[in-house]
Amino acid sequence: ETGVTQTPRHLVMGMTNKKSLKCEQHLGHNAMYWYKQSAKKPLELMFVYNFKEQTENNSVPSRFSPECPNSSHLFLHLHTLQPEDSALYLCASSQDASSGANVLTFGAGSRLTVL
Amino acid sequence: GQNIDQPTEMTATEGAIVQINCTYQTSGFNGLFWYQQHAGEAPTFLSYNVLDGLEEKGRFSSFLSRSKGYSYLLLKELQMKDSASYLCAVRDRDYKLSFGAGTTVTVRA
Repeated sequence: ETGVTQTPRHLVMGMTNKKSLKCEQHLGHNAMYWYKQSAKKPLELMFVYNFKEQTENNSVPSRFSPECPNSSHLFLHLHTLQPEDSALYLCASSQDASSGANVLTFGAGSRLTVL
Repeated sequence: GQNIDQPTEMTATEGAIVQINCTYQTSGFNGLFWYQQHAGEAPTFLSYNVLDGLEEKGRFSSFLSRSKGYSYLLLKELQMKDSASYLCAVRDRDYKLSFGAGTTVTVRA
């Protein structure tokens, strides 16, 4: 596979469930990102990992917990979510998070519905 | 923080030209990007501007004026497949990339 792959593509969970979103990139990039996309709103940056180190946590509630075991994999662990957390969660990767010209490559997203 | 504004929706006819404007206010500037996102798909990179002027890439062109905090994406010879959301994004001095809410372009036959 090439590019950025996200699983699952769709997820429905209750507020008391625990689930995880997975992202994998085969581009040899060193930076990985989680963004939240809600209808009619700008993409919201959640977390950034550069060379496996978390460099950005954009005031995200603790019910979202990222994990980056290596430069190719990124997880978003979810627990006790709220209905307003329902959104499309996009993973992206780039060569380096601290370069002006570096282009993000996005996955197709995981559509999350919290009941 | 950053403030990025772009129109919500635009409609145009197949074969026509559409210009999507983007204005921004940012703390420092390290480049402006345009992405295309079809419904249910990943955003894909279209263009990057860091210096003032016009960048042309086939039917798509992007313009930047840093002094005015302004960019536009020009889509020429519109095709039905160009119906999508177009996202303007700005990178600040800390290399943080922030996005506008996107402009949904509908191309009619």
